[in-house]
Amino acid sequence: AQSVTQLGSHVSVSEGALVLLRCNYSSSVPPYLFWYVQYPNQGLQLLLKYTSAATLVKGINGFEAEFKKSETSFHLTKPSAHMSDAAEYFCAVSERGSNDYKLSFGAGTTVTVRA
Amino acid sequence: DAGVIQSPRHEVTEMGQEVTLRCKPISGHNSLFWYRQTMMRGLELLIYFNNNVPIDDSGMPEDRFSAKMPNASFSTLKIQPSEPRDSAVYFCASSAQGGTEAFFGQGTRLTVV
Repeated sequence: AQSVTQLGSHVSVSEGALVLLRCNYSSSVPPYLFWYVQYPNQGLQLLLKYTSAATLVKGINGFEAEFKKSETSFHLTKPSAHMSDAAEYFCAVSERGSNDYKLSFGAGTTVTVRA
Repeated sequence: DAGVIQSPRHEVTEMGQEVTLRCKPISGHNSLFWYRQTMMRGLELLIYFNNNVPIDDSGMPEDRFSAKMPNASFSTLKIQPSEPRDSAVYFCASSAQGGTEAFFGQGTRLTVV
């Protein structure tokens, strides 16, 4: 079975500062990993995904994440926060090649951006 | 493609009434998921289907909840009878291949009074 843990339920950053959201995963087989963003009153939108190609994955809106197998981590970063980045972010995992098709989500991290 | 379409967007109902939420997945996708989101419990997977067959319904909270997928383009989540604690946002999502990224609908905000 797979699971993810997001460290920190709330992160507050200044506009222009680095955004770092932490995610650690547990999976019995090589994983697929995802970051989703949810803006208020909307559904979840895929930011980026890791599917066993490059370990550094670039996504939309200037976000990127690095898969580190040794640390079982998939942290999300953005060099310079923008006010529009205020949202809730979810890390998710699924088990590549298994018959278990479900995505398991973390508890989410709410990002606020200070002017 | 129009994406995953859910209806209604908002539903207010009285306790004890039957509620049916609807979902149309993206054409060609063969996995469909129902999630529930609340402040207290976050995002919970209720049930998912693959090729219209329910694979795992262990997240369905109790017998008052049921889900069907009669064909590849339609699924329903039914609550009968509804209770105030069922108030939440319910999301439907679909994916093209097992284990890959899921595409979410806009959700149905359910309020049971």
